[in-house]
Amino acid sequence: EAGVAQSPRYKIIEKRQSVAFWCNPISGHATLYWYQQILGQGPKLLIQFQNNGVVDDSQLPKDRFSAERLKGVDSTLKIQPAKLEDSAVYLCASSVTDTRDWLREQYFGPGTRLTVT
Amino acid sequence: AQSVTQPDIHITVSEGASLELRCNYSYGATPYLFWYVQSPGQGLQLLLKYFSGDTLVQGIKGFEAEFKRSQSSFNLRKPSVHWSDAAEYFCAVGTTGGGNKLTFGTGTQLKVEL
Repeated sequence: EAGVAQSPRYKIIEKRQSVAFWCNPISGHATLYWYQQILGQGPKLLIQFQNNGVVDDSQLPKDRFSAERLKGVDSTLKIQPAKLEDSAVYLCASSVTDTRDWLREQYFGPGTRLTVT
Repeated sequence: AQSVTQPDIHITVSEGASLELRCNYSYGATPYLFWYVQSPGQGLQLLLKYFSGDTLVQGIKGFEAEFKRSQSSFNLRKPSVHWSDAAEYFCAVGTTGGGNKLTFGTGTQLKVEL
């Protein structure tokens, strides 16, 4: 079974530029998550989708971050314009959608390491 | 709101020695608890999880964790560490009753001396 795919793996941009990250979840996983992991910290949830609808985006800085999952499969996270403090690893995860909590394990991709200079 | 504290930022152990990584959580209801491992340049891999029942949970790679409600703890243990266990370890608490939101601790970096 293929895992969660993310691209690019690394990206270096200057502040005020824009950047986009792509994620393809495990086949059949209706729920998709984007996390931000700043160096020395644990991952922080930015946004959660169920199919193509947003479940939780309470920690997404909506003035500069946007995310979409138009067809309910792969997803794109965009930052525009980027700031120095956006330097982090952006992790994508997916899980099945099931009413039984213990079945909804999150599977993580390898992440995209963003450096903003 | 839930939170997780991992009091040890770095831990160094000798290969073959036992290991215990500490995790304390705060959550208003019965928590779902997880331990993940992250190797350099890799995503997070689930080691084990606790939902209910037996408070001693067995995971992959010889790891186990014990849920202690009275201490709000979920410490990770391994009786004999291998050099390949060197990585960063994250404890997380998950919401129940839908949502499936994970809140992570800040992680513990494990170094294994040969």
